[in-house]
Amino acid sequence: EIVLTQSPGTLSLSPGERATLSCRASQRVSSDYVAWYQHKPGQAHRLLIYGASTRATGIPDKFSGSGSATDFTLTISRLEPEDFAVYYCQQYGSSPRTFGQGTKVEVK
Amino acid sequence: EVQLVESGGGLVQPGGSLRLSCAASGFSFSTYWMSWVRQAPGKGLEWVADVKQDGTEKDYVDSVKGRFTISRDNAKNSLYLQMNSLRAEDTAVYYCARGASSGTYFWVYWGQGTLVTVSS
Repeated sequence: EIVLTQSPGTLSLSPGERATLSCRASQRVSSDYVAWYQHKPGQAHRLLIYGASTRATGIPDKFSGSGSATDFTLTISRLEPEDFAVYYCQQYGSSPRTFGQGTKVEVK
Repeated sequence: EVQLVESGGGLVQPGGSLRLSCAASGFSFSTYWMSWVRQAPGKGLEWVADVKQDGTEKDYVDSVKGRFTISRDNAKNSLYLQMNSLRAEDTAVYYCARGASSGTYFWVYWGQGTLVTVSS
């Protein structure tokens, strides 16, 4: 089973700042099959990125994904109030699909 | 608009059973794989189970094999999770999620979840 470790656990930033979230895999993720989700309390999870770098339908270009093999990054170029949330990475390159423990992006 | 609405969560004693339901709307339910994903308090997300469009293929995370059963009723646009022999470590919010027509890889659509608490 691939273990995904996200860092930092909490990111304290101000609106307008850039957020860089890391997701490290315990072994190579096949075909760089990594997805990123955003979750806010009381709402459904929102798919942001799949295939490490492909934005899902309707996702604004302030969200970008990068990385390969074992190291993946989600970048939010300029934080807006609605971006403060918890973000999860997930790998689907091997079974079972696994998730990271999440990074909370909070208002500084 | 795609909607997934879970129900059936609650408080149950260790060793007990519970059946979760997920009502789907806004898409052709019978043409997609469906999944259950859970999140224990203070923990990350964990994939639990998948079921193919016609119910002929199912897959489970090892920790629930032999205890949980995923099923679906395409006529009712509904997904189910029968949970038996529940343990404290099954305490979590359970989410219904839609896969793809060819399998489940990542999930575009999720419900808002239903809380299952296993405690005496």
